[in-house]
Parts: sequence; structure tokens; C-alpha cells
Amino acid sequence: KQEVTQIPAALSVPEGENLVLNCSFTDSAIYNLQWFRQDPGKGLTSLLLIQSSQREQTSGRLNASLDKSSGRSTLYIAASQPGDSATYLCAVIDPRTGNQFYFGTGTSLTVIP
Amino acid sequence: DTEVTQTPKHLVMGMTNKKSLKCEQHMGHRAMYWYKQKAKKPPELMFVYSYEKLSINESVPSRFSPECPNSSLLNLHLHALQPEDSALYLCASSQTTSGNYEQYFGPGTRLTVT
Repeated sequence: KQEVTQIPAALSVPEGENLVLNCSFTDSAIYNLQWFRQDPGKGLTSLLLIQSSQREQTSGRLNASLDKSSGRSTLYIAASQPGDSATYLCAVIDPRTGNQFYFGTGTSLTVIP
Repeated sequence: DTEVTQTPKHLVMGMTNKKSLKCEQHMGHRAMYWYKQKAKKPPELMFVYSYEKLSINESVPSRFSPECPNSSLLNLHLHALQPEDSALYLCASSQTTSGNYEQYFGPGTRLTVT
């Protein structure tokens, strides 16, 4: 069964810093990887989707990379702002289990003004 | 329109009540999902509907009963719940469940069972 972990579990940075969130998955046979943001008590907002044939995707201050062979993805946030404070979740689609979505454990980010 | 809507936003119910959660999308997606999320945990998959047929049931207790009346609507009927069922219930949709797909999530219903 695919296992997805995110390190660190929590991160606190001062405003303006660049930061990297990590996502690791145990089996490289994935269709795609999706990064989400979740504010407390709210639903998930999709940030970036990287297909298995791609190596990275960019949206504004966000850049996500994917290395299938090593089972890793990173989400880079440039010039962090207090509004970036949220929990960030990655998820992969595993074709071996009916294309189910497997979520990571999440990283809780706090950006201090 | 890339929106998934859920009603109600909050629900408090007793253990003997019967209530329903509703989810709607108008993106033409043919797959819809129910997830349960406890505090500080990732969402856990409960049910998947593909082309209005239940395709995945992750061994969810029968006190949760899903229904997909049409391709735009998904309901979750609740009956005789337990306090440990209190959680955020999230609905999601995607174009299909085949291969490469992106999921879109609703804002969730915060359920409290007393």
C-alpha cells in the first residue's frame, strides 16, 4: 500500500523567507501528485498538480517539483507571507489500487509577521 | 466554475437523529467522493461514486449511507451516529477516476454528534 509522508510536520518561519516543504511516497508508480492547502476547519484548495511525465509546475510564488524515481516531491514557497499560514497536504494517485488518492500526513506552516 | 458546494456548513445532531449532508458540483465531473477528516489528520476516503454508481466503499459503518441521485449531486445520510463520528466531512469531485485526474474539494461540513 502506498504510504505518503511529509516532513516537517510543523514549520514556523519569519515573513519574507523562502521555504521548502517535502513529500515522500513509497512507490514510484504514480499517475500524478497534487499539492493542497487547508486553512483550519476549511476544505482543501488545490495549489498545483504535477503529472507523472512532468518534473515541475509553477504558480505565482509556488513551485512544485517531482522526482518519481526517488519518490519525492517538494513545494517551494518564495517570499512567504502571513497569509500563507495553513496546513499543506500532498496526495498521489496510485494506479495499482484502483487509482485511489493517498494523502500525506501534512505540514502545518506558520509565517510570523 | 470550479466549485464544489456543501450544505450545511455546520451540523449538530444527537445519536438518535437522522440527518443528511449534501454536495453539489456543476463542472460536469463524473466522479464524486466523500472523505472524513479528524483534527490534525489527513482526509480518509469513505466512498467513491463513478458515473453515479458506488465504486469504492472503504468499509464504512452502515450508519453512513451515501446516495448519488444524479451526476451533479451527492448525499450522505446519517443515522444513529456515535460521538466519535464527529469530524469534518469533505466532498470532492473529479472528471473521472481513470488515470490522471485532479480532485476538487468542497468547504466541508463540520459535524458534531452529541
